[in-house]
Amino acid sequence: DVKVTQSSRYLVKRTGEKVFLECVQDMDHENMFWYRQDPGLGLRLIYFSYDVKMKEKGDIPEGYSVSREKKERFSLILESASTNQTSMYLCASSLEQGLSNQPQHFGDGTRLSIL
Amino acid sequence: GENVEQHPSTLSVQEGDSAVIKCTYSDSASNYFPWYKQELGKRPQLIIDIRSNVGEKKDQRIAVTLNKTAKHFSLHITETQPEDSAVYFCAASKREVGYNKLIFGAGTRLAVHP
Repeated sequence: DVKVTQSSRYLVKRTGEKVFLECVQDMDHENMFWYRQDPGLGLRLIYFSYDVKMKEKGDIPEGYSVSREKKERFSLILESASTNQTSMYLCASSLEQGLSNQPQHFGDGTRLSIL
Repeated sequence: GENVEQHPSTLSVQEGDSAVIKCTYSDSASNYFPWYKQELGKRPQLIIDIRSNVGEKKDQRIAVTLNKTAKHFSLHITETQPEDSAVYFCAASKREVGYNKLIFGAGTRLAVHP
């Protein structure tokens, strides 16, 4: 069974802090994703990565950056946290399989509050 | 880019009734349509998916239909049970070189009353 683990379930930080959210998957998946989930807006893609050291912007990348130094780990970085980044953050991974779309598997999420 | 609209935003049914959630997408090149269920405080979990080369797929009480011409797809849950209560998300995706990314609908909160 696919296991996607996010380092924290709840996190409270202050405005202006640099915040790191960590995600690890144990299924050797090539693709990894970071979403934020807000009521009424569904899941919105922040950044994704399809290979080590590769990254692509999603739909709402402003204020965020990512790092993928190892295949199993994908980090989301809030360079200078702001209150409008208070949200639920979800990490996901999927297998790369030629021309076929593959399901994404999610972690439990990190509920981040910026004070 | 792709846009996915999902309706209704909330749905309330009696136990044993059927529930239908509908989604429309904008990009005719989309070819993969998963549905996720998210129970309160838990991660989204894939419950069923359909690819553009089929029109319908069933798994026990759950079915998904796809109309490529109209660019819409629907989730059907029959004989609903209280444990079906959750938020359901549809998504659409097309194959890009080296990866695929999902565009999600805003979600439907389903409540099944005993």
